[in-house]
Amino acid sequence: GDSVTQMEGPVTLSEEAFLTINCTYTATGYPSLFWYVQYPGEGLQLLLKATKADDKGSNKGFEATYRKETTSFHLEKGSVQVSDSAVYFCALSDPPSYNNNDMRFGAGTRLTVKP
Amino acid sequence: KAGVTQTPRYLIKTRGQQVTLSCSPISGHRSVSWYQQTPGQGLQFLFEYFSETQRNKGNFPGRFSGRQFSNSRSEMNVSTLELGDSALYLCASSDGTGNQPQHFGDGTRLSIL
Repeated sequence: GDSVTQMEGPVTLSEEAFLTINCTYTATGYPSLFWYVQYPGEGLQLLLKATKADDKGSNKGFEATYRKETTSFHLEKGSVQVSDSAVYFCALSDPPSYNNNDMRFGAGTRLTVKP
Repeated sequence: KAGVTQTPRYLIKTRGQQVTLSCSPISGHRSVSWYQQTPGQGLQFLFEYFSETQRNKGNFPGRFSGRQFSNSRSEMNVSTLELGDSALYLCASSDGTGNQPQHFGDGTRLSIL
């Protein structure tokens, strides 16, 4: 079935460093792709999304591009802040024609940013 | 717009008991999905309800069940609790179409003694 694989953490960076968290997917159709972030003691918050090939999702300085040729959706940020410390989840969902809302999540990558 | 509300935030139960968790979705959302999050297994999909019907189900035993009411509020029930059921249970709502994001509540932390 459809699945998502993301790089294992934890990732520790210094403030203002460049961030990349890799995510690849396996899907038979054309899924929608998402990045979620989870801060301690909270649920998941949508960070960005892309629904078709070559779409770029962006939010709060984070970006990810839907690459169909490499089946990837890597998360990047040019300059991380201490407040970005959290767990990041890559996820996919089936296209609307599949008539379900089943979202598949990666294992999560814990990011720690040190001042 | 109010977000997804889960109650209670914390629960402590003992083995063999049962528990009911509640989720109120964002107004207008008809789909509610439930997930179990543990350090070892990560985020695992339990089931999804759409317009009061279970539309999708993950690989959990029958002790885990749910329902959805006409106002889209959902409850999840776990019977005969086991130590391994200790987890953060997350609820997410959406409009129910495949390419729309799910919006999560802050979860219910269930601890089994």
